[in-house]
Formats: sequence, structure tokens, C-alpha cells
Amino acid sequence: SYELTQPPSVSVSPGQTASITCSGDKLGDKYACWYQQKPGQSPVLVIYQNNKRPSGIPERFSGSNSGNTATLTISGTQAMDEADYYCQTWDNSIVIFGGGTKLTVL
Amino acid sequence: QITLKESGPTLVKATQTLTLTCTFSGFSLSTTGEAVGWIRQPPGKALEWLALIYWDSDKLYSPSLKSRLTITKDTSKKQVVLTMTNMDPMDTASYFCAHKQNNWFDPWGQGTLVTVYS
Repeated sequence: SYELTQPPSVSVSPGQTASITCSGDKLGDKYACWYQQKPGQSPVLVIYQNNKRPSGIPERFSGSNSGNTATLTISGTQAMDEADYYCQTWDNSIVIFGGGTKLTVL
Repeated sequence: QITLKESGPTLVKATQTLTLTCTFSGFSLSTTGEAVGWIRQPPGKALEWLALIYWDSDKLYSPSLKSRLTITKDTSKKQVVLTMTNMDPMDTASYFCAHKQNNWFDPWGQGTLVTVYS
């Protein structure tokens, strides 16, 4: 079965750039999206179709997807960006989520 | 504006069947292309997709849970219902419904925590 692998945790200093990876076999041939989830809240879409931002999502959030890896990049990371991030794709009519990455801003 | 809200029991006894309802607004499940999915999240763990139903009643299920899941819709009531049989304490989780757009889910409901006791 298809799997998406994310690092369990990523740390970043305020104002710096955070990169969260999501790896899967030939993931670059599929569309990837990303969700942000803060404690006690529902997931919120931050990137869809690899690199598109929904309205209301700050420009500091960007995405890419090539080869076997999709990457969520947060430029000028702010304290409010501290959250869990999940990647998601489809494989043979099955929805696949990554294991999630806890982003710590310190 | 699309909104979704989950409802159902907060406590379920092991071996019983769980029935959750997602009530939505802002779109119609009779419109071509529309779909609603269910996703769960055990406490402190990752998201897990469960099921999806399309406007034409086509249904998709997680292979690992397919034998226990049934998803249905009531278009006039703007509701999607998920049933899960033979509940186990390992099924304790927050259950979310979400609006599917193309290849992603947006927005999500607030979620409902279901605790399974033995």
C-alpha cells in the first residue's frame, strides 16, 4: 500500500525558513496538499495542488512537489505557525495522509 | 460559505455500531462533482481517511476498514451518515467530516470525539 513519510518534528527560529518534507514513491507524479492543525482544532488547508494557496493563507506558505518528495516551506516563520502539518495525496482512489510533522518555533 | 458539523454519540460500548452524522450547508450533494469524506484522528496521532461519498452516490472506503464502514447520504437533509460496526477501544478518536474539492478537503467540520469503552 502507498505510504507518505514525514519527519516527526521540525524546529525553526522565528523569522527563519521552515521546510517540511513528505516522501512517497513517485509522489511528484501526483498532486499533494498540506493541512495545518493547531491543538484542539480541525485541520486547515494551507496548500493544494502542490503549490497553490487558498484564499486567506499567508504568502509565507509555499509548496513544491518533484520526484519522490513534496515540500511545504514557511518563510519568515512566526510563532502562530507552530502546529502539526499533514501532507495528503491520492493513490488508486484511496486518500493517503502522511504521519504528520510537529513544527516548533523557538 | 461551506460549513460542516459532525454529530453522534460521545461514548460507545465495544462491539456496538457507531453512527455519525455530518450536516452541511453551502453546497448540494446533488451537484456534479461534490463529495464529502470522513477522516478520524486518535488522540495524539495522525489523520486517517475512512470513507468518501460522491454526488452520484459512488462510494470509496479505506481498504483496512472497508468491511466495517458504510457511508450514505440524504441529499434533501444535507446530511452524510457514517456507520462503523464492531467498535473497539482502538477506534477511540476524533471523527471529522470534510468537503472534498478536486484532490483536497476544504473545509473540515469541528470534529467529534468518540470514546469506546469495554
